[in-house]
Amino acid sequence: EAGVAQSPRYKIIEKRQSVAFWCNPISGHATLYWYQQILGQGPKLLIQFQNNGVVDDSQLPKDRFSAERLKGVDSTLKIQPAKLEDSAVYLCASSLGVYTDTQYFGPGTRLTVL
Amino acid sequence: KQEVTQIPAALSVPEGENLVLNCSFTDSAIYNLQWFRQDPGKGLTSLLLIQSSQREQTSGRLNASLDKSSGRSTLYIAASQPGDSATYLCAVRPGNSGGYQKVTFGTGTKLQVIP
Repeated sequence: EAGVAQSPRYKIIEKRQSVAFWCNPISGHATLYWYQQILGQGPKLLIQFQNNGVVDDSQLPKDRFSAERLKGVDSTLKIQPAKLEDSAVYLCASSLGVYTDTQYFGPGTRLTVL
Repeated sequence: KQEVTQIPAALSVPEGENLVLNCSFTDSAIYNLQWFRQDPGKGLTSLLLIQSSQREQTSGRLNASLDKSSGRSTLYIAASQPGDSATYLCAVRPGNSGGYQKVTFGTGTKLQVIP
């Protein structure tokens, strides 16, 4: 079974530039998560999708971050414009259902904002 | 608001030793608790998932226990090996008290097993 795929693996940009990350979840998984993990901290949920609907985006900085999940499969997370404090690893995860199922994580995208 | 704490932040043990990692959470109304390991520069790998109705789960040399009333979970690793060196994170999914509540992660325990 293929795992969660993410690209790119690494990205370096200057502040005020824009960037986009892509995630392909495990086939058949209805729930998709985007997390932000700052160095030395645990992951923080940015947004959760159930199929192509948003379940929770309460911690997503909506003035600069956006995410979509078209057709309930792949998802993209965009930052525009980026700030220095956005430097982090962005993790995508998926699970079969919403509340009781194991989350499977992708390798993450390490973003450095200069 | 659910808060998840993992102490110690770092732990170093000699190979072969049995060890326990701790996870504490403030709100005992949970759906489940999951333990992950994270290797440097990589994503998280699920180790064990304990539902709220369960008290423990086992996989190989790993055993995770859950005590909801005291807000604690432990991850027991038997006969530690250098390959167990990683950061271990616990994640709590709160119970649904009329609305969706997000998963909260602890900050992790960085384990080093010395050959």
